Amino acid sequence: EPEVTQTPSHQVTQMGQEVILRCVPISNHLYFYWYRQILGQKVEFLVSFYNNEISEKSEIFDDQFSVERPDGSNFTLKIRSTKLEDSAMYFCASRLETEQFFGPGTRLTVL
Amino acid sequence: SQQGEEDPQALSIQEGENATMNCSYKTSINNLQWYRQNSGRGLVHLILIRSNEREKHSGRLRVTLDTSKKSSSLLITASRAADTASYFCATDSIQGAQKLVFGQGTRLTINP
Repeated sequence: EPEVTQTPSHQVTQMGQEVILRCVPISNHLYFYWYRQILGQKVEFLVSFYNNEISEKSEIFDDQFSVERPDGSNFTLKIRSTKLEDSAMYFCASRLETEQFFGPGTRLTVL
Repeated sequence: SQQGEEDPQALSIQEGENATMNCSYKTSINNLQWYRQNSGRGLVHLILIRSNEREKHSGRLRVTLDTSKKSSSLLITASRAADTASYFCATDSIQGAQKLVFGQGTRLTINP
């Protein structure tokens, strides 16, 4: 059964460094999302992407964040200058119709 | 803004019993989805119920939706130890990119 994959599973970085989180959505899906979950808190929407552009973004998704679909399969989230409070689990999701399917997540730890 | 809130926050039952979790939200929705998350892991899609549906079944799962009360329930029958996880409801709206808004979740523990 097709699934969303994410790499790496765990990323440790120093404050101020740039990180790129990678996702491979399900191949025939058209809508792509990033969410994050700070430890012990609810899952929060970051950004949605459709037709090669951002369709919606949350207040969390400030200028430090960017997304890209560099080719036909990958979908990346870049954080330009990480802060301590960016430490969280980051989930990629994709959908074709209504159901959103989530990847296993990348645990980002900012030291 | 719409918001899903689950109750109870934590539920502990014996294996074989039924588990019921509730979710409330604030604004009109297009769909409501339930997800499971094992500790520190990803979100597994369980079931989706559309705003024009009142009840849906999938295996041991039964979901109800009451749009007049803006609430949903998830029933897991004949619980098993492997059902131990956190369960989240997530709502989306008709407008926009159908982003999901998640509740805080219910932590379910099934005791053998």
